[in-house]
Amino acid sequence: QSALTQPPSASGSPGQSVTISCTGTSSDVGSYNYVSWYQQHPGKAPKVMIYDVSKRPSGVPDRFSGSKSGNTASLTVSGLQAEDEADYYCSSYADSNNFGVFGGGTKLTVL
Amino acid sequence: EVQLLESGGGLVQPGGSLRLSCAASGFTFSSYAMSWVRQAPGKGLEWVSAISGGGGNTYYADSVKGRFTISRDNSKSTLYLQMNTLTAEDTALYYCARATRFCSGGTCYYQYFEYWGQGTLVTVSS
Repeated sequence: QSALTQPPSASGSPGQSVTISCTGTSSDVGSYNYVSWYQQHPGKAPKVMIYDVSKRPSGVPDRFSGSKSGNTASLTVSGLQAEDEADYYCSSYADSNNFGVFGGGTKLTVL
Repeated sequence: EVQLLESGGGLVQPGGSLRLSCAASGFTFSSYAMSWVRQAPGKGLEWVSAISGGGGNTYYADSVKGRFTISRDNSKSTLYLQMNTLTAEDTALYYCARATRFCSGGTCYYQYFEYWGQGTLVTVSS
């Protein structure tokens, strides 16, 4: 049960766009459209931002978008704002355990 | 309002046991799969275990299989995690989370965790 692979860090200036990648295998990301993304601020519980690759839960700004190509999913944050600075985790359904697996997380810094 | 309240964390010696609880409210508990997700200090999220709404299906990460047991009492809207043979690597904040799944043809697929508790801290140390 290997974790999905994310870059440890990403950054952008206010107003810019940043994309975070999440690479899995044909046993998880590549075979299922059940990729989700979570935002976690320090000391807080995670919050789902994207599910089913590209769907946004109610209340999540449309600045957040998701996509997938092959074994790699991506989260794009457009029009970066200071409050977007947080850790972001991807997750996917996984054949290996018939449930889920997380990525290692990406720390997003708003410069 | 959906609420998930974890309890039972604490300091335990290596090799010891602990039972975590998660009291749920604000939704029909038996209708949802539930899960435990942990986060070691300064580290990322790690999925630990999950259980179907009726309790008949359980799932475990390799790192805890054979040592941890997930269960639920739908009459009490409470989720449990029995943790045995604990090691320092189990030190983490343990979150309870409600899972949304898509089920078709007898197979259910985890989609996302919509609600999370605030976590209970487990520290394994001598």
